Amino acid sequence: EVVLTQSPGTLSLSPGERATLSCRASQSLGNTYLAWYQQKPGKAPRLLIFGASSRATGIPDRFSGSGSGTDFTLTISGLEPEDSAVYYCQQYDEYGSSHRWTFGQGTKVEIK
Amino acid sequence: EVQLVESGGGLVQPGGSLRLSCVGSGFTFAPFWMHWVRQVPGKGLAWVSHINGDGSNTPYADSVKGRFTISRDNAKNTLFLQMNSLQAEDTAVYYCTRDRGRPDSFDLWGQGTVVTVTS
Repeated sequence: EVVLTQSPGTLSLSPGERATLSCRASQSLGNTYLAWYQQKPGKAPRLLIFGASSRATGIPDRFSGSGSGTDFTLTISGLEPEDSAVYYCQQYDEYGSSHRWTFGQGTKVEIK
Repeated sequence: EVQLVESGGGLVQPGGSLRLSCVGSGFTFAPFWMHWVRQVPGKGLAWVSHINGDGSNTPYADSVKGRFTISRDNAKNTLFLQMNSLQAEDTAVYYCTRDRGRPDSFDLWGQGTVVTVTS
């Protein structure tokens, strides 16, 4: 089973700064279906990035994703106050004829 | 409007059962793979189960295998989660989600329904 480890646990930055969030997989992923989600308090998660680097519909271009293999990064360039949230990475792996999906434990981004 | 709306959550005693529902609207429900994801208050996201378009493939997380059953009624655009032998550890917000691929990421989420298991 793939385990996703996110770092740091919390990131505290000022508006306009760049946030770099890391997601490391316990084994090399044979696909690039690494996704990133944003979750604000009391709300459902929102898809930001799919396929490791493609932005979902309506996501501002200050959000970008990169990486392959075991190391993936979500970058938020030019933080806005509304970017304060918890960010999760997600992947799936195949076992037998089926799949299972895994989330990282999350990185909290605080805007000073 | 494209949306998912869950219902069926509530308060239940340990060992009890609940059936969650999720109605999809604004899109063609049948072809999409669907999932249930849960979140313990203050904690992270955890995948629970998945169902493919015709209901023939239904994997489960180890924590719920043998107790939960996912199903769907494509004629009614509805996803279900039958939860039996509920335990305190099942207390969470349960989200219905749509898979954008086969498989891929989850591009549409419901608002969530709260399940509380307590004596």
